[in-house]
Amino acid sequence: GQQVMQIPQYQHVQEGEDFTTYCNSSTTLSNIQWYKQRPGGHPVFLIQLVKSGEVKKQKRLTFQFGEAKKNSSLHITATQTTDVGTYFCAAFANDYKLSFGAGTTVTVRA
Amino acid sequence: EAGVVQSPRYKIIEKKQPVAFWCNPISGHNTLYWYLQNLGQGPELLIRYENEEAVDDSQLPKDRFSAERLKGVDSTLKIQPAELGDSAVYLCASSLDSLPYNEQFFGPGTRLTVL
Repeated sequence: GQQVMQIPQYQHVQEGEDFTTYCNSSTTLSNIQWYKQRPGGHPVFLIQLVKSGEVKKQKRLTFQFGEAKKNSSLHITATQTTDVGTYFCAAFANDYKLSFGAGTTVTVRA
Repeated sequence: EAGVVQSPRYKIIEKKQPVAFWCNPISGHNTLYWYLQNLGQGPELLIRYENEEAVDDSQLPKDRFSAERLKGVDSTLKIQPAELGDSAVYLCASSLDSLPYNEQFFGPGTRLTVL
């Protein structure tokens, strides 16, 4: 089963608006990775968070790792049509297996 | 640098038939993964190879699925016989090694439809 839970499952956003998607775990995570999958495409690595409370930015995307290392968020500002796709968080626990969440599928209204 | 290569991209077969998928990872990547992705779900690991050794195949349904990576480079995943529930996208990924801090590079996947 999935180790990490993502909410919401779907996010419908007006172009230009901001939104946040969340990734939660009941266990402490060693690190967390975020991937993006465009419609019909394959997952592409975006970023990795390792430290408690870590915040990283990629242009309009802001990634955060919780203080307790049990949750993470992805915030996108001024959403564009290029942001369409499914965003997955993925985490390792105590083994070498990367467990993916079910993803948040983002659609954009122009 | 070439990415992870998979073939075929699409495969349609009838149930009970065999099927095979091929993957060539990024050059120099020791770790190779096969994932299963159902519609609306994240990828789920089937098997992980370190060079030619299958180090985690706990999620591989061994009654019908098999995999090999004979020379530690490219890999083949086989299903025999296929069932209707096997319809999904089969993704191959590779990484430098299996340390948890390495990103994984995914191939385009093979979309399997079992009729």
